[in-house]
Amino acid sequence: EPEVTQTPSHQVTQMGQEVILRCVPISNHLYFYWYRQILGQKVEFLVSFYNNEISEKSEIFDDQFSVERPDGSNFTLKIRSTKLEDSAMYFCASSDYRDYNSPLHFGNGTRLTVT
Amino acid sequence: AQKITQTQPGMFVQEKEAVTLDCTYDTSDQSYGLFWYKQPSSGEMIFLIYQGSYDEQNATEGRYSLNFQKARKSANLVISASQLGDSAMYFCAMREGKENRDDKIIFGKGTRLHILP
Repeated sequence: EPEVTQTPSHQVTQMGQEVILRCVPISNHLYFYWYRQILGQKVEFLVSFYNNEISEKSEIFDDQFSVERPDGSNFTLKIRSTKLEDSAMYFCASSDYRDYNSPLHFGNGTRLTVT
Repeated sequence: AQKITQTQPGMFVQEKEAVTLDCTYDTSDQSYGLFWYKQPSSGEMIFLIYQGSYDEQNATEGRYSLNFQKARKSANLVISASQLGDSAMYFCAMREGKENRDDKIIFGKGTRLHILP
């Protein structure tokens, strides 16, 4: 069964450094998402992306964050200058339709630790 | 206001018993979808089951079923014959329809289920 792939599974970085989290969505999906989860808490929406532009973003997704689809397969989340509070599990997800009956399929997540 | 409410932060259930995990939701859309995801201790998010707002029958997927009561705006997950491997965090989520321009799934806070041997 096709799946969403995220790399790395765990990233440790120092405060102030830039990080790029990578995702390969399911190949025929058109809608892409990033979510984050701080230590087993609620899963929070960050951003949705379609047709090479952001569809929607949350208040969490400030100027520190950016997303990109640099080629036909990868979807990346960049955090420009990481803060301690950015430590979380980051999930990439994809969907074949932007419709209420279309589930999001999630990757296994990247655990980001900012020291 | 919360759109997805899961009132049970944690539950302990004996193996082989049935489990009901509660979920209520709030939306003004006529078209919406309700989803349940399982998150084991390893951290991945696993899609379990889906119920559409226009579906007249409750969704079922193996040992999972969704008790959908539209008038009450509830979408409880029922796990029959629970197994030790069902121990995990369970999230209820909603995706709103065409009337709402939002493009995301909104999650509840989750219920941590412990299955006891």
